[in-house]
Amino acid sequence: DTGVSQDPRHKITKRGQNVTFRCDPISEHNRLYWYRQTLGQGPEFLTYFQNEAQLEKSRLLSDRFSAERPKGSFSTLEIQRTEQGDSAMYLCASSFLTGQGLPDTQYFGPGTRLTVL
Amino acid sequence: GDSVTQMEGPVTLSEEAFLTINCTYTATGYPSLFWYVQYPGEGLQLLLKATKADDKGSNKGFEATYRKETTSFHLEKGSVQVSDSAVYFCALIPSSGGYNKLIFGAGTRLAVHP
Repeated sequence: DTGVSQDPRHKITKRGQNVTFRCDPISEHNRLYWYRQTLGQGPEFLTYFQNEAQLEKSRLLSDRFSAERPKGSFSTLEIQRTEQGDSAMYLCASSFLTGQGLPDTQYFGPGTRLTVL
Repeated sequence: GDSVTQMEGPVTLSEEAFLTINCTYTATGYPSLFWYVQYPGEGLQLLLKATKADDKGSNKGFEATYRKETTSFHLEKGSVQVSDSAVYFCALIPSSGGYNKLIFGAGTRLAVHP
């Protein structure tokens, strides 16, 4: 078990460019989450998948953001036409839904730090 | 909506001092409560959790008790070490909606000096 991995760890881009981040969850975890963390704040929920289905999206996820999880394994988060306000740490987490009526523990990756110039 | 409020940091302590980081929440029903820790340069790690009222979560000498009557989940440690220096996040998962997202507080930075 190598934990949740994210790639790249850092991304610097110019305003208006598109960027894509990748998250590889812990193998066999059926849930995958994306969060955004700005400086001095706690992470904020963006979206989550159960297997390959995207089941909830936050209002923070504007039309410029899209996430996918093909085949229920890794996930990608794309931001189109980046803005300076998109600069943040993007965190991925995964968990295994046990279905026993209690929340499953979410395991976080190291994050991708995005800087939009 | 549901929310978490933590005491502002930074909290600066000497080694072996007693630690308390206050956390209160607003939520309907009985959310599950968590403390996560973020060490410098590392990702968020679950420190402890409690899923029902009066439960006590504990790990690595840290403890927190789920107090429904005061809607609190304060983090405590009897004797901190320099290695405990990190940012601590209190969080909840609402009891309705399929357990699908963590709601975090703003975090409290702890600095422990020798």
